[in-house]
Amino acid sequence: TQLLEQSPQFLSIQEGENLTVYCNSSSVFSSLQWYRQEPGEGPVLLVTVVTGGEVKKLKRLTFQFGDARKDSSLHITAAQPGDTGLYLCAGAVLTGGGNKLTFGTGTQLKVEL
Amino acid sequence: NAGVTQTPKFRVLKTGQSMTLLCAQDMNHEYMYWYRQDPGMGLRLIHYSVGEGTTAKGEVPDGYNVSRLKKQNFLLGLESAAPSQTSVYFCASSSGLAGGLRPNIQYFGAGTRLSVL
Repeated sequence: TQLLEQSPQFLSIQEGENLTVYCNSSSVFSSLQWYRQEPGEGPVLLVTVVTGGEVKKLKRLTFQFGDARKDSSLHITAAQPGDTGLYLCAGAVLTGGGNKLTFGTGTQLKVEL
Repeated sequence: NAGVTQTPKFRVLKTGQSMTLLCAQDMNHEYMYWYRQDPGMGLRLIHYSVGEGTTAKGEVPDGYNVSRLKKQNFLLGLESAAPSQTSVYFCASSSGLAGGLRPNIQYFGAGTRLSVL
């Protein structure tokens, strides 16, 4: 079973602070996705990174895929209360059937005023 | 603009009871998935389907059965519920195979919260 470990598990910060969430595995993935999940809802895709070393920016969010495609990070600049939620990374593996994803353990972020 | 719809949203069962969770998608997606989400464990794949009439086991299939009789629907059944199946269940769908330069997006429903007493 492939495992994706996320750290930290919980993060509580003040508005305006910066933060980084890490997603690590011993396995190689063909692509890595980041999702955000709000209470009572399903995960919603934020970004997909597919190339080792790739960096993608989505407003105040910066996503990076490791050179070896085993790890990824999410950096949020000047966090806002609207960033509060559960952040999940998910690695995609090429298989004979199905777009199967292995999800990380999740990082619960709370941004307070 | 429904996307992926799951019913019911909440359910409480007694040990040994059976139930079926329904997932419906209106995006004409080929692939559908059932996950369970437990604290500190992310989402774990229970079963999935790559098309109408097909199903396959995921990471944690024991105690669950599925059926995909129609392309738009994917049913998850619990024949004899156990307290260990208390969880939040999510259904997702996607249009095709992921990998390489063409990663695929999975769209999730809002979840079914199940408690087994």
